[in-house]
Amino acid sequence: AQTVTQSQPEMSVQEAETVTLSCTYDTSENNYYLFWYKQPPSRQMILVIRQEAYKQQNATENRFSVNFQKAAKSFSLKISDSQLGDTAMYFCAFMKHGNRDDKIIFGKGTRLHILP
Amino acid sequence: EPEVTQTPSHQVTQMGQEVILRCVPISNHLYFYWYRQILGQKVEFLVSFYNNEISEKSEIFDDQFSVERPDGSNFTLKIRSTKLEDSAMYFCASSEVRFAGFNGYTFGSGTRLTVV
Repeated sequence: AQTVTQSQPEMSVQEAETVTLSCTYDTSENNYYLFWYKQPPSRQMILVIRQEAYKQQNATENRFSVNFQKAAKSFSLKISDSQLGDTAMYFCAFMKHGNRDDKIIFGKGTRLHILP
Repeated sequence: EPEVTQTPSHQVTQMGQEVILRCVPISNHLYFYWYRQILGQKVEFLVSFYNNEISEKSEIFDDQFSVERPDGSNFTLKIRSTKLEDSAMYFCASSEVRFAGFNGYTFGSGTRLTVV
């Protein structure tokens, strides 16, 4: 069974600083997807960034980038030039690449506070 | 940008009552999901649905739960006899494709279910 672990329950950084959220996962699969979802106080789940395991290049979306280390099963999220609107719960998530199993497995989340 | 719409945003029900949570997925999406998040805990998979049948369900999704796509646009989750522990945020999600070019699900804003 796949598991996703986020070891930082809560973090706080000053506005404009860079912050890195950690995530590790456990799987025996070779092909899979990894995601970071953001959940602001409104509670909606918003996809921040995705990574396909067969791609070595780290995904980047504007101020958000990942450090994907497949051998180490690590998938950290870096937020550059953090903004007050980045305050949210961030979930790391895993999904197998297969025919029958398309559920997403979420970690427990990291609550990120961006301080003015 | 297309959205997944969930109604109601908040529902309060008495223990033992039946409740139906409604979702309108994005119109060209073919795969549908329900997840739930008990307050302060991680997001958990309930069920996936494709081609008018359940693709996969978790152990949480017992006989008290059912899903239906009654009219080609709505996707509903029914809980037959609610229990206090069913109190949670319920998220509907949909996706267009599952694997090649998969961009993750689009989640709705959730329905907060409170069982009293």
